[in-house]
Formats: sequence, C-alpha cells, structure tokens
Amino acid sequence: DGGITQSPKYLFRKEGQNVTLSCEQNLNHDAMYWYRQDPGQGLRLIYYSQIVNDFQKGDIAEGYSVSREKKESFPLTVTSAQKNPTAFYLCASTQLSGNTIYFGEGSWLTVV
Amino acid sequence: AQSVTQLDSQVPVFEEAPVELRCNYSSSVSVYLFWYVQYPNQGLQLLLKYLSGSTLVKGINGFEAEFNKSQTSFHLRKPSVHISDTAEYFCAVSERNAGNMLTFGGGTRLMVKP
Repeated sequence: DGGITQSPKYLFRKEGQNVTLSCEQNLNHDAMYWYRQDPGQGLRLIYYSQIVNDFQKGDIAEGYSVSREKKESFPLTVTSAQKNPTAFYLCASTQLSGNTIYFGEGSWLTVV
Repeated sequence: AQSVTQLDSQVPVFEEAPVELRCNYSSSVSVYLFWYVQYPNQGLQLLLKYLSGSTLVKGINGFEAEFNKSQTSFHLRKPSVHISDTAEYFCAVSERNAGNMLTFGGGTRLMVKP
C-alpha cells in the first residue's frame, strides 16, 4: 500500500543525545515536511523540502536538522541543542502540482 | 502572512446531536482550506477541502463545511455525531500558488458523550 511511514513510533532519549526520526514515502511525492505537535496545541513547521538535496527552515528549525538525499526519504535529527524536544512529530508529503498534504502516523519523542 | 483561529478548544456534545466546529482565517490572498481529523496517537487524516467552486464541501464520515469568503470562515458541521467522532479536529489554510505550505489552527477537541 502507498503511504508515509514514520519510525520509530515511540522513542526515548537521554538529555544530550541526538536522535533521528525516519520518514519514508512511496507516493512519489516531491515535497516533504516535518511538523511538531505539543499536547493540546496545533502543528508547527520545522523543516520542509521540495526537491532532493534542498530543504528550507520552517518556523521552529532551531535544534533540528534534516537531509533529503533521496526523493522518498526525509529524516529528522533532533539535536542536543533542542531545549524542549519532548513532543509528537509528524512527517507529511505532497505533490508540488497538487494541493493536499498527507500525513504519516507520527512519532513520539520523550526526553528522560 | 496567514493565520487560522479555531474558536473553541473543546466541544462536548451528546451522541446523535448536531455539531459545528468553528474556524476563521486571515490572509491577504486567495486560499485553499482544509479540515483534518486526528485520533489519539495517530497522524492527521484529511476530512475535506475547499479549493474552488461550490462553497459547501462534503467530506468523509458525514462531515461538511461551508466556505464563507465575506466572513473568512470555514466552519465544520455534522448533523448527527457518533461516539467514534471523538477526536481532535484541525482547520488549516494554504495560500494558492505558495507551494502547499499549511498553517494550522490550534485544534478543537470534539468529545461525544453517550
């Protein structure tokens, strides 16, 4: 089935560690996005990429990094510089010629 | 810049009652409008979208929304809710010709009671 796969679903991190969240899509979408969701709040854009080997900062990029080496993959690294990393992270994708963004199932990151 | 306001953070309603979830937006250009639903610990699922044409849009699970340009609103409605509709609902907007960049509202938690 076509879709967006995020892994792991749950991840625990010790303070000072970097962690990487995986996002893979087999929809042949051009653009991919990472959003952060805090409990009871809306979604905020971290990074997005519209083409391989290019990406742009969103509203809250500090403490995060991404890469886009392949069209189908857009991993997000949460670095130790991110002061409040505990959150629900959502990956999304879309065709640039389209108008609808589709979401993965999300990944929970907890700092312990 | 665009913004989205969901006027109610929580909406409690009894099963089989009608419900309206309110959404207002601001933008200096024409927009696309979306409603997404999020069940606990899951991603967002598209309920419906307004791109152009008829201002009344029908979506999945019996939901519909009406685009009102003069009031810059896109309220979501369902004539009779079920327990299974309990979820978080997000209104979102993207500017036309702006590369599919979504701006989300803060969400409305719909709580359907038996």
